[in-house]
Amino acid sequence: DIVLTQSPATLSVTPGESVSLSCRASQGISTSIHWYQQKSNESPRLLIKYASQSISGIPSRFSGSGSGTDFTLSINRVESEDFSVYYCQQSYSLPRTFGGGTKLELK
Amino acid sequence: EVQLVESGGGLVQPGRSLKLSCAASGFTFSNYYMAWVRQAPKKGLEWVATISTSGSRTYYPDSVKGRFTISRDNAKSSLYLQMNSLKSEDTATYYCARDGRDFDYWGQGVMVTVSS
Repeated sequence: DIVLTQSPATLSVTPGESVSLSCRASQGISTSIHWYQQKSNESPRLLIKYASQSISGIPSRFSGSGSGTDFTLSINRVESEDFSVYYCQQSYSLPRTFGGGTKLELK
Repeated sequence: EVQLVESGGGLVQPGRSLKLSCAASGFTFSNYYMAWVRQAPKKGLEWVATISTSGSRTYYPDSVKGRFTISRDNAKSSLYLQMNSLKSEDTATYYCARDGRDFDYWGQGVMVTVSS
């Protein structure tokens, strides 16, 4: 199984800061990585697909990059509504796996 | 507007069975693979099952293979998850999701608690 390791586990920031969240795969997965946001007591929401492809309706401050084993979700100038948990997920091979998540919290 | 609405959750004893349902609307259900993803309390996300458009192909992780069965009724735009031999570690919120390799739409989730 492909293991996805997200870091850091928790990231404390103030609104207006720009941040980068990391997701590392245990083997090369091309660009078959997707990012989700999950706010407290809500369902996950797709933010970015295939490492860098934008999703309709998602603010442009969210962007993704990477290929192979190292991937990054960037948030340009964090807003208060962005404080939540972020997950990466691979679709390169079965079983589909998710990273453990990064919690973005208010400093 | 795409909508996925799960139902059928609840409290069940270990070793018993439960069947979840997901009613889909706002898109052509028969054109999409569908999936179930779960989340144990305070934990991360775990993929549980995927089914092809016709229902002829199904996929599971080892953790549920042989115990869970995903199925669909395209005429009713409905997705199902039959869960047998339930264990305490199956306690989670179960989400129905549209599966395009990424999960682009999710339901609100339904809670399943396995406890005596």
